[in-house]
Amino acid sequence: SQTIHQWPATLVQPVGSPLSLECTVEGTSNPNLYWYRQAAGRGLQLLFYSVGIGQISSEVPQNLSASRPQDRQFILSSKKLLLSDSGFYLCAWTPTSANEQFFGPGTRLTVL
Amino acid sequence: SQKIEQNSEALNIQEGKTATLTCNYTNYSPAYLQWYRQDPGRGPVFLLLIRENEKEKRKERLKVTFDTTLKQSLFHITASQPADSATYLCALDTNSGYSTLTFGKGTMLLVSP
Repeated sequence: SQTIHQWPATLVQPVGSPLSLECTVEGTSNPNLYWYRQAAGRGLQLLFYSVGIGQISSEVPQNLSASRPQDRQFILSSKKLLLSDSGFYLCAWTPTSANEQFFGPGTRLTVL
Repeated sequence: SQKIEQNSEALNIQEGKTATLTCNYTNYSPAYLQWYRQDPGRGPVFLLLIRENEKEKRKERLKVTFDTTLKQSLFHITASQPADSATYLCALDTNSGYSTLTFGKGTMLLVSP
């Protein structure tokens, strides 16, 4: 069966520090991968998605970036965090033949 | 611009009753609509998908309707249980061709014994 992992589970970082969040999927190949952010009182916001290795589409302008160095690995990064980057970051995947998304456990990021 | 609205107020019902949640959208022509359940501090879990040419979909105690004329979906949980208490999210296909979704903010359901 397929599983999706995210780490770390929680993270507290100072303003201006770098960020790297990792997501990996097991038990499938060539998934579509997605990064979302869920800020307090707001809905899930799609940040990036990828349909293949090295292929990244950005949905909103921001100081975050994403990379997909391997088929089942998706990384969210920032060179300098802002206070507004605080939130719950969720990675999700979907098979290329289906539409429903399967979410990871999430990373709670607090920027101080 | 595209907009999805779900009732921001929590829905409180008694165990055994039917819960009905609403999702309205504007400026969209989605190919499909999905419902997810999210528990506090957890990622959403997929429940049901309904396509634009389907009026109704059922799965155990869950039922979803999709009215593309009214631009509305209704999500029903029959014989509700306290374990059904959670936030329910509506999501629409953005027509990107890559299964990208736009989510509503969700409605919290509280089922009391």
